[in-house]
Amino acid sequence: AQSVAQPEDQVNVAEGNPLTVKCTYSVSGNPYLFWYVQYPNRGLQFLLKYITGDNLVKGSYGFEAEFNKSQTSFHLKKPSALVSDSALYFCAVRDTGSGNTGKLIFGQGTTLQVKP
Amino acid sequence: GAGVSQSPRYKVAKRGQDVALRCDPISGHVSLFWYQQALGQGPEFLTYFQNEAQLDKSGLPSDRFFAERPEGSVSTLKIQRTQQEDSAVYLCASSLVGLSNAPYEQYFGPGTRLTVT
Repeated sequence: AQSVAQPEDQVNVAEGNPLTVKCTYSVSGNPYLFWYVQYPNRGLQFLLKYITGDNLVKGSYGFEAEFNKSQTSFHLKKPSALVSDSALYFCAVRDTGSGNTGKLIFGQGTTLQVKP
Repeated sequence: GAGVSQSPRYKVAKRGQDVALRCDPISGHVSLFWYQQALGQGPEFLTYFQNEAQLDKSGLPSDRFFAERPEGSVSTLKIQRTQQEDSAVYLCASSLVGLSNAPYEQYFGPGTRLTVT
């Protein structure tokens, strides 16, 4: 069965420092991977996706993610964190099971806290 | 352009009441998904429409949950005889295509927070 794991409930980082939010996945077949961000009382906003090609994917707001097939990971990164990056981050994998409707399977989420 | 909208944003229902949650997807988006997000959890899939056809309802937790999209645009998620365990945020998402074609990203609405008392 497909699954996504985000091993950290919370990540704390100082403003200006690099940040990493971890994600590992388990899928059959080629993975289609996504990162979303959720601000309080708002829906999920798409950040970036990996379909194929370069292992380093660039997305919105200066975020990027590194796909590592051997480690089945898709960690979210940013070179210099902003206080406004503080939010809840979700990693997701597109379901490739029977039916293949394109539904997403989400991790539990990681709260990113950036302190000034 | 306009994103995905949902109404109401908040709904309080007494146990046993029926509720209806509305989703207006992005114009032209063929695929529409409903997810349920419990407090402190990631969203979990409920059901999927391609145009007006409900192609996957495997995530609906019970027969009290019903969804429709009669004209292939607006969708309604209905919950009958609500129970306390139905309390959650219900998210709607739309995308250009959802099947085994190119994996377009899904665009999410702000959600409806349902509280059953």
